[in-house]
Amino acid sequence: DGGITQSPKYLFRKEGQNVTLSCEQNLNHDAMYWYRQDPGQGLRLIYYSQIVNDFQKGDIAEGYSVSREKKESFPLTVTSAQKNPTAFYLCASSPRAGTGRSGELFFGEGSRLTVL
Amino acid sequence: GENVEQHPSTLSVQEGDSAVIKCTYSDSASNYFPWYKQELGKGPQLIIDIRSNVGEKKDQRIAVTLNKTAKHFSLHITETQPEDSAVYFCAAREIQGAQKLVFGQGTRLTINP
Repeated sequence: DGGITQSPKYLFRKEGQNVTLSCEQNLNHDAMYWYRQDPGQGLRLIYYSQIVNDFQKGDIAEGYSVSREKKESFPLTVTSAQKNPTAFYLCASSPRAGTGRSGELFFGEGSRLTVL
Repeated sequence: GENVEQHPSTLSVQEGDSAVIKCTYSDSASNYFPWYKQELGKGPQLIIDIRSNVGEKKDQRIAVTLNKTAKHFSLHITETQPEDSAVYFCAAREIQGAQKLVFGQGTRLTINP
């Protein structure tokens, strides 16, 4: 089945450690996104990528980094510079603009990061 | 950039009654407005969307209305059922740049049996 796979589902980290969240999609979508979800704050965009080897900062990129070396993969690293990293992280993808269904986001099941 | 406000933040209705969630957006040029449903511990899923060239769209028990003049759109769920309990997000697509979706803050809907 086509879809987006995020791993791990739950992750615990000690303060000062970097952690990488995995996101893989087999939908052949060009664009991929990372969102952070906190209670009562909706979905806030961290980074997005519209094409391989290119990515852009979203609204809350500080303390995060990404890479897009393959079309299927868009890993997110939460660095020790992120002041409040405990949150639910969602990865999403969408078809290329102009394909008729562009704009619709397909989400993974999320990764819950807790900093101890 | 685009800004989306969503109300209410929580909504509780009796099973069988209707639920309405409202959103306003700031950029009159935005042209695509999806609604997502997020069940506990899962990622959001698209349930219905509307483009700016229509005023209303229905899919069984759910409908979305769009008022471009007032820059607001609403989600209507009729004959609510327990499985409708979830968090609902509205969004608007920016016209500029990468045409990203900007989300509202979410509404936690609880259906009481």
